[in-house]
Amino acid sequence: DTAVSQTPKYLVTQMGNDKSIKCEQNLGHDTMYWYKQDSKKFLKIMFSYNNKELIINETVPNRFSPKSPDKAHLNLHINSLELGDSAVYFCASSEYITGDTEAFFGQGTRLTVV
Amino acid sequence: KNEVEQSPQNLTAQEGEFITINCSYSVGISALHWLQQHPGGGIVSLFMLSSGKKKHGRLIATINIQEKHSSLHITASHPRDSAVYICAVDANRDDKIIFGKGTRLHILP
Repeated sequence: DTAVSQTPKYLVTQMGNDKSIKCEQNLGHDTMYWYKQDSKKFLKIMFSYNNKELIINETVPNRFSPKSPDKAHLNLHINSLELGDSAVYFCASSEYITGDTEAFFGQGTRLTVV
Repeated sequence: KNEVEQSPQNLTAQEGEFITINCSYSVGISALHWLQQHPGGGIVSLFMLSSGKKKHGRLIATINIQEKHSSLHITASHPRDSAVYICAVDANRDDKIIFGKGTRLHILP
């Protein structure tokens, strides 16, 4: 059973299009995240979200928006795609409690904008 | 068997102790990451390694490509170092990241 699953695994699209990447977790976690792996391979957090609070990394363009239909899903919607958006995007989840937490990652979605 | 194994899974130590967390992997890689997750959930990148050794403050990361092994060391540990430390590798075969399950570190004052 996959704990955190992302779809699609690969996405190739043209500049200017709008696309979404879906993420689902079956762990009952309260908090989900989106990360972008940049060209230098570092992971950078884009959003963290639970059913109470959305925290946005201020460096993320507002063309990117998380959408959560329920606690188990956090989809990433991207408007007006640009070449620089090409990257691997990772979804993750964790149990949002004070104290120890452990994050579980999806397998990533490779987005290529042409 | 997981392709990325970390040890120990849990570690409790006294403030000031020298900490070592190990990571072994079984796939060909282009880079290895050490990540830190604090209580509350946010994850930050500590190091990215493809060879040798890197140092940042009290943190040291080493990698031995031939032995497929990496270590994260913390000198003069402090309670604020308490976190989950995650090892992740960029696998050559499909250019994806494979994550270890993390090591939960608790430093007692």
